[in-house]
This record gives sequence, C-alpha cells and structure tokens, in this order.
Amino acid sequence: DAGVIQSPRHEVTEMGQEVTLRCKPISGHDYLFWYRQTMMRGLELLIYFNNNVPIDDSGMPEDRFSAKMPNASFSTLKIQPSEPRDSAVYFCASTGTASNEQFFGPGTRLTVL
Amino acid sequence: GENVEQHPSTLSVQEGDSAVIKCTYSDSASNYFPWYKQELGKGPQLIIDIRSNVGEKKDQRIAVTLNKTAKHFSLHITETQPEDSAVYFCAAREEDMRFGAGTRLTVKP
Repeated sequence: DAGVIQSPRHEVTEMGQEVTLRCKPISGHDYLFWYRQTMMRGLELLIYFNNNVPIDDSGMPEDRFSAKMPNASFSTLKIQPSEPRDSAVYFCASTGTASNEQFFGPGTRLTVL
Repeated sequence: GENVEQHPSTLSVQEGDSAVIKCTYSDSASNYFPWYKQELGKGPQLIIDIRSNVGEKKDQRIAVTLNKTAKHFSLHITETQPEDSAVYFCAAREEDMRFGAGTRLTVKP
C-alpha cells in the first residue's frame, strides 16, 4: 500500500484565495482525520470522519474551514477565504476500526501571503 | 476533553545515553497511548504504543511505561543514536486522539 496520500505537498497562495487540500486514506481504513501543525499550537485535530460521515468538527477553527469526504477513498479540506494565520502544515491520517494506530500522510505545507 | 502535557520540550543527550520523555493526561477514560516520531519534512510515525490494561511495553531500544493511577506515561530510549534525533509526540485517546506539544530530541555524536 502507498500509505496515506496528500496533495499538494506545498501550496503558496495569497490572502483571500480559496485553498483545497486533498487526502487519499489507506484502502480499507474507516476513519480519516485532518490535523493542523504549527510551532505555536502543535498538532491540533481539526475534524475526523468515520465511514465518510463527519463525527467531530469541534476543532475546525472557523466557518472559513470546511471538510468533505464524498467517498471512502477521498477527502478534502477547504479554506475560503484563506488568511496568513492559516499558514501551517496540514496532515491527514487514517486508521481502521480494528486498530488504533493512525497512519499519517506526508502533509501539505500551506503558506498564505 | 482530554488534555495531554509533555515534558521536556527539548532534550539533548550524548550518543549512547538514555532519553526519557514524560506525558500526563487528564481524562481517566483514555485507553490508548501512542508515541510518534516526526522527522523533518515528514508526517508523524508510530514507534510504540500501549493500552490501558498494560503497564509496560518494550521494543528493542524503546520502552513505554504507563501509570493509570497517576495518569502519566513515559517513553524511554536506551543506547541513543544520532538517527534518533527527531521530534517525539505522545498522545492519549478515548474518543479522539489528543497530542502533547512534542519533544525535540537531539543526540550528539
């Protein structure tokens, strides 16, 4: 298996633009997580899905952030409009129901100018 | 919700020495405690984990201990090597995973 796949790996955009981050979880995993990592706040859980259904989005910072999982093999995290304080590394992770280990993707480094 | 605290934030050791990182958690219902290693430019990778029904687990040079009464758990790395240099995160999970702030470990050759 290729592991969790994220794209793009790097994104540089200007304030006010829409940003879409993509994730393909490991095949067969039922849970998908979106995290944000910054120096100041560490690794923060934004939202997670179980069987494509959002379970807990309490970590989503504000309405500018939205996440979808239209099917078991694809999820997006969208920021509209983006702001400089959104600059961070965004990780996607997945896990199966039989295991608690979360497998992380390589992350997307987002820079909002 | 769960709150995980991790200490120290930075740790520097000589090659061959041991390194210990400690974490505390707040939610007594947490039942799964993983440790992740994150190298520069990569996502966190699981190195060892422990469940609430076990007090200690060892895998070669890495060991984790759990004290459920005190709600703390620790990572022990023995015979450290330069390639152990990375940021290490502890986490605790009941409903969802909460991570500690991380420890930057530097192993000096």
